[in-house]
Amino acid sequence: GQNIDQPTEMTATEGAIVQINCTYQTSGFNGLFWYQQHAGEAPTFLSYNVLDGLEEKGRFSSFLSRSKGYSYLLLKELQMKDSASYLCAPREAAGNKLTFGGGTRVLVKP
Amino acid sequence: DTEVTQTPKHLVMGMTNKKSLKCEQHMGHRAMYWYKQKAKKPPELMFVYSYEKLSINESVPSRFSPECPNSSLLNLHLHALQPEDSALYLCASSLPSGQGTGELFFGEGSRLTVL
Repeated sequence: GQNIDQPTEMTATEGAIVQINCTYQTSGFNGLFWYQQHAGEAPTFLSYNVLDGLEEKGRFSSFLSRSKGYSYLLLKELQMKDSASYLCAPREAAGNKLTFGGGTRVLVKP
Repeated sequence: DTEVTQTPKHLVMGMTNKKSLKCEQHMGHRAMYWYKQKAKKPPELMFVYSYEKLSINESVPSRFSPECPNSSLLNLHLHALQPEDSALYLCASSLPSGQGTGELFFGEGSRLTVL
């Protein structure tokens, strides 16, 4: 089974930086995904890490440490439209099982 | 075409009804998924199909019956549901594990209300 832990809620100011941490324990490991979900909408893919280190994609970056079972998503130059839930999702080694953490609701204030 | 299409968008049914949710993708993905999402909760995995065969069933009650008639279609048959089954049902597809990143592409969901 999987145990995924991320903060429930974070608040930040427009233009600032926010870091969302995720710790996980899985039955084997085959990569970790971050998804964004706006209220009432489907989740959309943000980033994927399978090796240790930092992946940068515009204003969003994601970091992975497999030995620590730890990842973070970094959101830079926050915009109001970044207000959403951010879901950490490690994938198990066998098959296509992707399990989501509880999600972190980010509120961006002016 | 990078879309996953789900129908219907909204469904209201009684506890004795039989209905189906449908999902379609034309991205050549051979893995398809059903997730259930309650308000303010993350999506919960229900079923995974890989190459049209059921590969994961997360101990879902038998009143939910999945079907994958071909590589583009995924159905979820509903029968004798309970009010607590009311939720957003999300379909997703991906390349199978080991091919590409395997990111999931989600449909917009079918919002189900059971009376």
